[in-house]
Amino acid sequence: KNQVEQSPQSLIILEGKNCTLQCNYTVSPFSNLRWYKQDTGRGPVSLTIMTFSENTKSNGRYTATLDADTKQSSLHITASQLSDSASYICVVSAGNNRKLIWGLGTSLAVNP
Amino acid sequence: AAGVIQSPRHLIKEKRETATLKCYPISRHDTVYWYQQGPGQDPQFLISFYEKMQSDKGSIPDRFSAQQFSDYHSELNMSSLELGDSALYFCASSLGDNSYEQYFGPGTRLTVT
Repeated sequence: KNQVEQSPQSLIILEGKNCTLQCNYTVSPFSNLRWYKQDTGRGPVSLTIMTFSENTKSNGRYTATLDADTKQSSLHITASQLSDSASYICVVSAGNNRKLIWGLGTSLAVNP
Repeated sequence: AAGVIQSPRHLIKEKRETATLKCYPISRHDTVYWYQQGPGQDPQFLISFYEKMQSDKGSIPDRFSAQQFSDYHSELNMSSLELGDSALYFCASSLGDNSYEQYFGPGTRLTVT
């Protein structure tokens, strides 16, 4: 069964600190893996998209890694800001970019 | 550049009423996707359009219909609304069908009472 699991479920960090979010997937065939940031009641905003051949991609303070062998991905946030408080969702495409396999997300709270 | 625009942002309807949600894709994007996200659930793919033709169909109920117009905006028409239709409806757009570069709109919150 295609599945995306994320950990931790929630995380609280202090402003300025770094954090790493994890994503494990069992999706076949694998097409691409995306990390989205979603504020409550808003649409997901794309942070990074990685295909099979990419193992790291950065977008400002966000750096995603992908290990296609172990089927794991991580999202590293550097020097966190209060505005980083949101849900971070790992999404994997199984060959069809319309029908996506969504993780449940990690709820991140950045406190002053 | 302007992102995907959805209207209305919030909508309250009663059971058995109809609702129309609108989506305006990013300029020059020719593909529109509709998703439904229930409370605490993953977004579920409903339907997509490429160049005004339906390109794929997901878990869209028969009570719902959608179309894409010549200016590439799309409308999701929902009839005989049920309480279970209460959800956040996202539209996404991309350049080219089945592209992984999808950009999501802010969503329309539909509440059926």
